[in-house]
Amino acid sequence: SQTIHQWPATLVQPVGSPLSLECTVEGTSNPNLYWYRQAAGRGLQLLFYSVGIGQISSEVPQNLSASRPQDRQFILSSKKLLLSDSGFYLCAWRAGGADTQYFGPGTRLTVL
Amino acid sequence: KNQVEQSPQSLIILEGKNCTLQCNYTVSPFSNLRWYKQDTGRGPVSLTIMTFSENTKSNGRYTATLDADTKQSSLHITASQLSDSASYICVVSDSGGSNYKLTFGKGTLLTVNP
Repeated sequence: SQTIHQWPATLVQPVGSPLSLECTVEGTSNPNLYWYRQAAGRGLQLLFYSVGIGQISSEVPQNLSASRPQDRQFILSSKKLLLSDSGFYLCAWRAGGADTQYFGPGTRLTVL
Repeated sequence: KNQVEQSPQSLIILEGKNCTLQCNYTVSPFSNLRWYKQDTGRGPVSLTIMTFSENTKSNGRYTATLDADTKQSSLHITASQLSDSASYICVVSDSGGSNYKLTFGKGTLLTVNP
């Protein structure tokens, strides 16, 4: 069966510090991968998606970047965090051609 | 612009009672509509998925309906339990290309009290 992992689960970082969130998927190959941010009282916002290694599409201009160094690894990064980067970050995967996205457990990021 | 609107924003009910959550969407072209349940601090989990031709679908005590003409969906929860306390998110996907886009509602926060 497929599983999706995210770490860390929670993170508190000062403004201006770098960020690296990792997402890995097991039990499938060549998944479509997604990064979302969920702010309090708001819906999920798609940040990046990837259909293959090294292929990243950005949905919104921002302070963040994403990379996919391996087939089942998706990384969300920032060189300098802003207060507005605080939120709940969710990684998701989808098998190509399938309808369902499966979400990871999420990372709660607080920027102080 | 594709949008998904959910109501109510929040709802409090007593254990054992039924409730209905609403979702209105303006997504085109429409592919499917899904309801997710998201426990606090966790990732969303899919409850049901409905395509254009489906009017109703059940998953245990959860029953979703879809009216593609009026672009409305509802999620009915029967005999609520404390574990039903969560945010319920309506998600609509378009049918655009190999990497479809999802439009998320803001969710309805359901609290079931004993």
